[in-house]
Amino acid sequence: KNQVEQSPQSLIILEGKNCTLQCNYTVSPFSNLRWYKQDTGRGPVSLTIMTFSENTKSNGRYTATLDADTKQSSLHITASQLSDSASYICVPYSGGGADGLTFGKGTHLIIQP
Amino acid sequence: SQTIHQWPATLVQPVGSPLSLECTVEGTSNPNLYWYRQAAGRGLQLLFYSVGIGQISSEVPQNLSASRPQDRQFILSSKKLLLSDSGFYLCAWSVGAQETQYFGPGTRLLVL
Repeated sequence: KNQVEQSPQSLIILEGKNCTLQCNYTVSPFSNLRWYKQDTGRGPVSLTIMTFSENTKSNGRYTATLDADTKQSSLHITASQLSDSASYICVPYSGGGADGLTFGKGTHLIIQP
Repeated sequence: SQTIHQWPATLVQPVGSPLSLECTVEGTSNPNLYWYRQAAGRGLQLLFYSVGIGQISSEVPQNLSASRPQDRQFILSSKKLLLSDSGFYLCAWSVGAQETQYFGPGTRLLVL
């Protein structure tokens, strides 16, 4: 059964600090991996999407890494801002149709001033 | 540019009442369309997806149904709501299943 484990479940950091969120998955086969940001009460917004051949992908202050061999991904946030407070969801895709997506429960990040 | 709309934003319904949630997409043709439910502390659960008009795939047996009467319109329905149907419902679209999904603003449903 495809599974996704995200850690930590929640995280509180001070504004301006960096942080790294982790994602371990057991999806097989593997096609790509997405990271989404979800503000409270809103729909998720795509941050990055990476195939197995991509090790790193950046979107502004967000940098995602992928190790398809160990089935691990991370999302690094640099110089955090208050607007970064949100849940961050890791979603590996095994291919096929829409049922190939496995959504993690997310890491709830709070940025304190 | 593409835009996805969902309505209503919030809905409070009694148990046993019917449900109709609507989702429309602008600025693209023949999108893949999806309905998800998100319960508190849980990951998104895929309910239905559609690759074309009249083509609906159901992922979870339940008292919900979906229809796609037009290319860019996706409707989630129920004849009789249950307490367990409460949650945050999200519509999404993508060019293909392989590609990034774009989510709507969501509908928060509370069944009392």
